[in-house]
Amino acid sequence: GQQVQQSPASLVLQEGENAELQCNFSTSLNSMQWFYQRPGGSLVSLFYNPSGTKHSGRLTSTTVIKERRSSLHISSSQTTDSGTYLCALERGYNQGKLIFGQGTKLSIKP
Amino acid sequence: DAAVTQKPRYLIKMKGQEAEMKCIPEKGHTAVFWYQQKQSKELKFLIYFQNQQPLDQIDMVKERFSAVCPSSSLCSLGIRTCEAEDSALYLCSSSPQGNSDYTFGSGTRLLVI
Repeated sequence: GQQVQQSPASLVLQEGENAELQCNFSTSLNSMQWFYQRPGGSLVSLFYNPSGTKHSGRLTSTTVIKERRSSLHISSSQTTDSGTYLCALERGYNQGKLIFGQGTKLSIKP
Repeated sequence: DAAVTQKPRYLIKMKGQEAEMKCIPEKGHTAVFWYQQKQSKELKFLIYFQNQQPLDQIDMVKERFSAVCPSSSLCSLGIRTCEAEDSALYLCSSSPQGNSDYTFGSGTRLLVI
């Protein structure tokens, strides 16, 4: 089965609403990362968050290892937040590969 | 602009043809990764280089792809005989040794017809 599950698969919100994206994993991990994938395909790193809570502007990432979950919260969403958000786990320290979820496609309506 | 450069951005090949795409990792990064992403699917790990040596790769790469990093500033991923199922976005990523700070390129979008 898939080691990283993201939910919801898609989310449509009105501008100004908050967004909550979830990532659940079924295996042990060394780190959890969140990326934003631009429409053209390139990835932008949002958070490297092996555990705990991290903030960056309107974004907050929380990883709870013992519950095997991570979340990305976007407050006061803007139309420019629209796109695909990916979570990825790294199973061991510097083991190289990231295991990605299928992503959450976020659409923010004006 | 991404610090990892990938070329070309788009590639169209006929079935049976050979394809090659290149990646210039971020300066100073010693680890290079290739991922494949098919339409609306998750990124799939293909191969991982550390200091130009391949350390991990999936069976498909061993069987049908050719991947090398002839220098610390250039890597390439090739497909010996393209198949329709190879149509995908190929993303290259690099990171410093001992560090999980990954930088991704903009990708090469391959279409096999």
